[in-house]
Amino acid sequence: GNSVTQMEGPVTLSEEAFLTINCTYTATGYPSLFWYVQYPGEGLQLLLKATKADDKGSNKGFEATYRKETTSFHLEKGSVQVSDSAVYFCALRRGQGAQKLVFGQGTRLTINP
Amino acid sequence: GAGVSQSPRYKVAKRGQDVALRCDPISGHVSLFWYQQALGQGPEFLTYFQNEAQLDKSGLPSDRFFAERPEGSVSTLKIQRTQQEDSAVYLCASSLAVGNQPQHFGDGTRLSIL
Repeated sequence: GNSVTQMEGPVTLSEEAFLTINCTYTATGYPSLFWYVQYPGEGLQLLLKATKADDKGSNKGFEATYRKETTSFHLEKGSVQVSDSAVYFCALRRGQGAQKLVFGQGTRLTINP
Repeated sequence: GAGVSQSPRYKVAKRGQDVALRCDPISGHVSLFWYQQALGQGPEFLTYFQNEAQLDKSGLPSDRFFAERPEGSVSTLKIQRTQQEDSAVYLCASSLAVGNQPQHFGDGTRLSIL
């Protein structure tokens, strides 16, 4: 079946540190891959996406590259801010008409000033 | 507003009661999804509508869960004879159409069953 595995949290970093949150997936076919972010008290927001192998999604300083050979979609940011504190979810959606998102368990990130 | 709206934001019910959760999708969005998010977990798919047609209900955990979207816009998720394990945040999402359109999520309804 289709599944997403994220690195376990919580992750605590100091401001301006480098961030990596690992995400690997198992899927049939060629899924689209997503990172969603959930700030405290808010709903899920799409952070970035990639729809085919070697695509790089980027937004707000975050990046993730779709690596088919390693079935990974790791989230990175070069210099985190306190405002990046949130829960981050990796997700996949199978291609060709399938609609539902399959999420990882989420990684809570806390950035200290 | 322009986003997906869910109501109520919080719902507390006694075990055995029926509850109804409402979702107002973004205007014009054809696709509507319901997800269940247990505490500390990622959302899990419940059901999917395209307009008024319920095309996938494979994620509904039991026949106590029922969803409808009679006019292809507002959707209601109903849970009958609630159990404690139904306690979770219920998320609604909508998107424009089939294909690679992103899903836009509401803030969710936090359901607590006592």
